[in-house]
Amino acid sequence: GESVGLHLPTLSVQEGDNSIINCAYSNSASDYFIWYKQESGKGPQFIIDIRSNMDKRQGQRVTVLLNKTVKHLSLQIAATQPGDSAVYFCAENFGNEKLTFGTGTRLTIIP
Amino acid sequence: NAGVTQTPKFQVLKTGQSMTLQCAQDMNHNSMYWYRQDPGMGLRLIYYSASEGTTDKGEVPNGYNVSRLNKREFSLRLESAAPSQTSVYFCASIIREGRYNEQFFGPGTRLTVL
Repeated sequence: GESVGLHLPTLSVQEGDNSIINCAYSNSASDYFIWYKQESGKGPQFIIDIRSNMDKRQGQRVTVLLNKTVKHLSLQIAATQPGDSAVYFCAENFGNEKLTFGTGTRLTIIP
Repeated sequence: NAGVTQTPKFQVLKTGQSMTLQCAQDMNHNSMYWYRQDPGMGLRLIYYSASEGTTDKGEVPNGYNVSRLNKREFSLRLESAAPSQTSVYFCASIIREGRYNEQFFGPGTRLTVL
């Protein structure tokens, strides 16, 4: 069946370095992908999205890359800050109202 | 503009008790969702409502019922709570404007069933 998963459950990054969080998906029909950030005790917060007809999209300090050939999605965070510590989820959509979420990667920033 | 609000924030139930989780959004969104989040897992869709008056099952609907009371409110009911329903519940609403899509989540309800 379709699944969205993450390569690493935890990631520790030095403050100021760049972070890369990866996500694999298995449904080639997925046409829309979203990255969310979830801080402890809070609901997920939208970070950035990308459609399947794009390879790259940039936001403020964040970039999402989509490689449809290998069904891989990544989130790059530039110059990571302590406030970036959180769990990051990718989610995929098959053109309907439903999103399928991955299990999440916990990003820890080392001072 | 409060976004998505949920009540209560915390709840403890005994097995067999019933309760309703409330959700409201003030962004005039058409679509609303209920998810549950368990430790070490992503969010799983329980039910969703694409518009006022319509509801559809998600991935894990068993043991739950929903009501889309009006455009603002979408409630989730547990008729007979079970320990397996111990989880954090999130309500969300979505906006779709052409190529722009975004989901807004509420702060969550932490439910424990003893």
